[in-house]
Amino acid sequence: SQQGEEDPQALSIQEGENATMNCSYKTSINNLQWYRQNSGRGLVHLILIRSNEREKHSGRLRVTLDTSKKSSSLLITASRAADTASYFCATGRGAQKLVFGQGTRLTINP
Amino acid sequence: DVKVTQSSRYLVKRTGEKVFLECVQDMDHENMFWYRQDPGLGLRLIYFSYDVKMKEKGDIPEGYSVSREKKERFSLILESASTNQTSMYLCASSPRTASYNEQFFGPGTRLTVL
Repeated sequence: SQQGEEDPQALSIQEGENATMNCSYKTSINNLQWYRQNSGRGLVHLILIRSNEREKHSGRLRVTLDTSKKSSSLLITASRAADTASYFCATGRGAQKLVFGQGTRLTINP
Repeated sequence: DVKVTQSSRYLVKRTGEKVFLECVQDMDHENMFWYRQDPGLGLRLIYFSYDVKMKEKGDIPEGYSVSREKKERFSLILESASTNQTSMYLCASSPRTASYNEQFFGPGTRLTVL
């Protein structure tokens, strides 16, 4: 069963613009994670936000978490061509397992 | 740096063949995972192992088995490959702690079953 649902499924913006992706989930969590996947490769962990945190920053990434709405957003500021990738949110399920959403495919146009 | 390696980047097999996908991690992680990734379906967990010789079924274990004889190695076995098992297979590992941790992924194996 898929817990995380990303929105939009695809996003295309110009280089230098900001990109925002959203994730909704269904059950209570203790943390939510975001991953990036470059085309045809494995996933790379970007950032983890705990359930008692509302916002977290890492470089050009900003993640927010609203546990009352069961949603999170990932903001990438000043986008670059190298940010072109698919982005997945993941939430914990059971012992040590994660459930991944279907991802948002982000394209940065030069 | 944590490194997770997978035995092949691309693999082509025939229907009915027994297929072995190998995954090795070098960070002494207790947990290892096998996922398959298909367009529109995201990542789905096939099997999970939390210790040597221990395994747990994920969401889609049918047609697959796993082996974990050593801590660093987790093998996915397709007993009799079928065309609907054509997919991208991703291995991941993570340490076992009290809370959910980031998972470290291998580069993936794109399997085609003809």
